[in-house]
Parts: sequence; structure tokens; C-alpha cells
Amino acid sequence: AQKVTQAQTEISVVEKEDVTLDCVYETRDTTYYLFWYKQPPSGELVFLIRRNSFDEQNEISGRYSWNFQKSTSSFNFTITASQVVDSAVYFCALSEASSSNTGKLIFGQGTTLQVKP
Amino acid sequence: EAQVTQNPRYLITVTGKKLTVTCSQNMNHEYMSWYRQDPGLGLRQIYYSMNVEVTDKGDVPEGYKVSRKEKRNFPLILESPSPNQTSLYFCASSPLGRTAGELFFGEGSRLTVL
Repeated sequence: AQKVTQAQTEISVVEKEDVTLDCVYETRDTTYYLFWYKQPPSGELVFLIRRNSFDEQNEISGRYSWNFQKSTSSFNFTITASQVVDSAVYFCALSEASSSNTGKLIFGQGTTLQVKP
Repeated sequence: EAQVTQNPRYLITVTGKKLTVTCSQNMNHEYMSWYRQDPGLGLRQIYYSMNVEVTDKGDVPEGYKVSRKEKRNFPLILESPSPNQTSLYFCASSPLGRTAGELFFGEGSRLTVL
């Protein structure tokens, strides 16, 4: 069965701290895609990153970095030197190649990040 | 500007009063979908459409209908809303042939059913 688990419901940090958001997934497919979306207080969903199951290279984009480890079925997201504007709900999501014709994303429960000044 | 537009953004209604949430995209995308977001559950797919006149159920279709008469529009219809349909709804689109999951989302429609 496919599933995405974000065990951290809420995280609170002080500005400039580093913070890691955990994501663990389950799938039987060998080909799949992993995503992170950001939902700021305004409510829209903002696409952050997509990784496919054959690419385990970690990625860095400015203060954001992602650590994909197939051995532990994890796709963690780290924000370095957090800022108040990073306060949002962050969703990890999974898309399986076997269900690509449905376009379905399987979302985790979301992690609410609060960055205090 | 490329976008997915939903209306209304906010709505309070009463049980049983039919309502429609509209969704329109200007990117000529074949694929469109509806999700609902509930606390602790993330987002769940309600219905999706691969192209005009082609629709199919997602994970939580009960109580909802959709139609796809035109490529750009994908309205979500609640024939007889109930309080358990109080939720935040998102419409999304993407072009076929792109890797599944790179969805363009609308800004969301917050629905309250009393």
C-alpha cells in the first residue's frame, strides 16, 4: 500500500536555526516520484521539488536542501538559517508510476513550521 | 499569467443546498483534478479528468460530481452538501505527458456546510 508519513505535526524554531522536516514513504513501485509542497498562511500550494526514484542525489537550492535515501524510504527537507517567511505547512507527497494515469498525489499529513523572530 | 482559478474562495452554506465550485485553467492542460484538505489527513483526491468528457473517481468521491465539457473548466458539484464536506478544496491541472505530480494548484476554496 502506498503511504506518506510526516511524523512531525508541528515544529517551532527561532529565526536562523536550521530545521529538518521528516518524510517517510511506502510504495511497492520501483518507479515513483517524491515531492515537497509549501502552503503559506495565504493557503495556496507551492511546488518546491520533485525527485524520481532513480535519482538519489541530494539537492540544494539556496537555503533549502533535500536528502533522499531509498534505503530508509525517506525524503527529508532541511531549511538552513530559517526565516519568518518560512513559516508554513509543508507537505511531502508521493506519485507512483503505476498510477500515473490518474495523476494522483499521495500526501502526508503535513508539518506546520513556525519560525519565531 | 498561467493560473488555475477557483470560485468562490470562501463559502458558507447550509445542509442540502446544492452548490458548485468552479475551476478554470488557462494553460491548455489536459489533466485536471480536485482535492480536499482536512486537518491531520493531508490532501485527498476527489475526482480527476484526463481530458474533455473523461472523468474518474479518486479516493473520496462520495457526495461529489464533476463534469468536463470544456478543456479549461472542471467544476465540482455538491448536489446535497453535508457538514462532513466542510473542507478546503483545491483544483489542480497539468499537461499530459509530464511526470505525474507536477500539478498546478488553484488558491483553494474554503467551504463550510452548516
